[in-house]
Amino acid sequence: EVQLVESGGGLVQPGGSLRLSCAASGFVFGSRGMNWVRQAPGKGLEWISFIISSSGTRYYADSVRGRFTISRDNAQNLLYLQMNNLSDEDTAVYYCAGHDNSNIERYFNLWGRGTLVTVSS
Amino acid sequence: EMVVTQSPATLSVSPGERATLSCRASHSVNSNLAWYQQIPGQAPRLLIYDASRRAIGIPAKFSGSGFGTDFTLTITSLQSEDFADYYCQQYDDWPLTFGQGTRLEIK
Repeated sequence: EVQLVESGGGLVQPGGSLRLSCAASGFVFGSRGMNWVRQAPGKGLEWISFIISSSGTRYYADSVRGRFTISRDNAQNLLYLQMNNLSDEDTAVYYCAGHDNSNIERYFNLWGRGTLVTVSS
Repeated sequence: EMVVTQSPATLSVSPGERATLSCRASHSVNSNLAWYQQIPGQAPRLLIYDASRRAIGIPAKFSGSGFGTDFTLTITSLQSEDFADYYCQQYDDWPLTFGQGTRLEIK
């Protein structure tokens, strides 16, 4: 079964850091570009980052560039999102997302269930 | 950055009727547009890609159309499970951007 499972969310104070993980199974993770998408409470979807299969290319939304870093460990089938200098605007459910076709990287038929990050003092 | 705007924000339709949702991009995205359905509390589900192609397992009641800047998602014979939030997403260029969503509610 194809599966993405996020973890690492929780409550963090403003200015703090958190690292999210996404464990992939059931497909060849190492040949797929992967993304992080977030959704603030009651709000819409926001794409925030992409990493190519080889980690050579990474893109970020303006809202997180310079604070968040996407990375991956293909040997462990893991995707990461290191989040630094968090603010209350980063409070959201964070999804990892991808596609089961290795040629498709920009729209998503694979989604995890998400992990909630709450930034609050 | 490509801005994607959906309308209306909320659409009220009776069961059995047809719903028409709109999505407009600030610049041409050719046919590089996807539609997702999201039931509250769940992850999004891909419905349509390349503006008009149904994803695997998506019934024919869902159809997409459009090219360039103007796109439409049509859902026919609405059933209770179709009342949800719908998002369009352009993938013509980075950063990828979503519309703000349309909530389809029961009239």
